[in-house]
Amino acid sequence: QVQLQESGPGLVKPSETLSLTCTVSGGSISTYNWNWIRQPPGKGLEWIGKIFYSGSTNLSPSLKSRVTISVDTSKNQFSLKLSSVTAADTAVYYCARDTGRWSPFDYWGQGTLVTVSS
Amino acid sequence: DIQMTQSPSSLSASVGDRVTITCRASQSISSFLNWFQQKPGKAPQLLIYAASSFQSGVPSRFSGSGSGTDFTLTISSLQPEDFATYYCQQSYSTPPTFGGGTKVEIK
Repeated sequence: QVQLQESGPGLVKPSETLSLTCTVSGGSISTYNWNWIRQPPGKGLEWIGKIFYSGSTNLSPSLKSRVTISVDTSKNQFSLKLSSVTAADTAVYYCARDTGRWSPFDYWGQGTLVTVSS
Repeated sequence: DIQMTQSPSSLSASVGDRVTITCRASQSISSFLNWFQQKPGKAPQLLIYAASSFQSGVPSRFSGSGSGTDFTLTISSLQPEDFATYYCQQSYSTPPTFGGGTKVEIK
């Protein structure tokens, strides 16, 4: 059974960089594709970007200039960096898997709340 | 980006009721439409993928239909554990986009 677990600071100051890691267990990260999705408190879901098993990335056009997604296959982890954060970036951040083009997000982490505040 | 519009945004229903939620895409997405259930404080869970295929373990009272731009999620007989927020999501093109959600509340 595949499991995903997000980790990282729960509080980030405005203008700084948000950094999160997703640890995958129960399967190899070198297979399939890995996504970041966020949900502001009380609001809907927004896709941030993904890293393919090949290592290439696809990023949301609205966040592309601030987002980096990378993978560490030795640790079975992938990571998100979001720079120059503002209060609008306060959200629960989820990592999730998809198994290919057109495939749904079939496994999700439990989510981690990141608050942007001084 | 493809816009996904769900209706209603919320509804009140009783246990045993038949519930229908609709999702409309701003352009044709073939059958690349997925439905998720989210309970408070939890991650979304995949219910239906490719418009009408059941994710493993999903009760048969859930069903999905549609293609092109118009889709429906139906709960044939609402159970207490079904009170939650439901999201549709298109996986036809990048970026994948979600509907605004439908909150199903107890009447």
